[in-house]
Amino acid sequence: QSALTQPPSVSGSPGQSVTISCTGTSSDVGSYNWVSWYQQPPGTVPKLMIYDVSNRPSGVPDRFSGSKSGNTASLTISGLQAEDEADYYCTSFTSRNTWVFGGGTKLTVL
Amino acid sequence: QVQLVESGGGVVQPGGSLRLSCAVSGFTFSSHEMYWVRQAPGKGLEWVAFISRDGSRKYYADSVRGRFTISRDNSRNTLYLQMNSLRAEETAIYYCAKDLTGKYSFHYWGQGTLVTVSS
Repeated sequence: QSALTQPPSVSGSPGQSVTISCTGTSSDVGSYNWVSWYQQPPGTVPKLMIYDVSNRPSGVPDRFSGSKSGNTASLTISGLQAEDEADYYCTSFTSRNTWVFGGGTKLTVL
Repeated sequence: QVQLVESGGGVVQPGGSLRLSCAVSGFTFSSHEMYWVRQAPGKGLEWVAFISRDGSRKYYADSVRGRFTISRDNSRNTLYLQMNSLRAEETAIYYCAKDLTGKYSFHYWGQGTLVTVSS
């Protein structure tokens, strides 16, 4: 199972918006709404930010939003803050009853 | 509050075995599906295994199928991962995670336990 494709890095200034893409195939992202996103600042444990493509768990700011079109899911962070600087990972359930992660995207807040 | 505490990591030679445990508290263990996810040093996340609430369904990553076994003891609120025939490239932090009820996502994570496969 190949990893989902994410850009290695993205950056933005405080207050701006950034979008991180996550491209899979018709066997994973394209077929299921079980796409989730995780935030991992350096040296910490991953934190669930988005589940089922576009839902936020309790406590996650509404600056974080998710969407999907075809085989590509996206995470958008609006009103960037310094504390958003972290690695972000997407994951999807697949037709083989497995989960596949993206390679991760490093977000830098300039 | 929700707590997941992994244990059992350590140094093992290539070809060796280890059994990881994940003791949970703060939620009804038997009502949640559970996962193991690993992260090699400086690398990304990799899903390893899944187990259903009653243990009847188990899924594995291709890379570990046939060598790793996930199990759970709902009476002891504990999740396990038996790892056999370990390889050097499986050196990683191993995390256990619980689902968000009824959703295929990794909601709460433990702090992880480090497994080092080296001669």
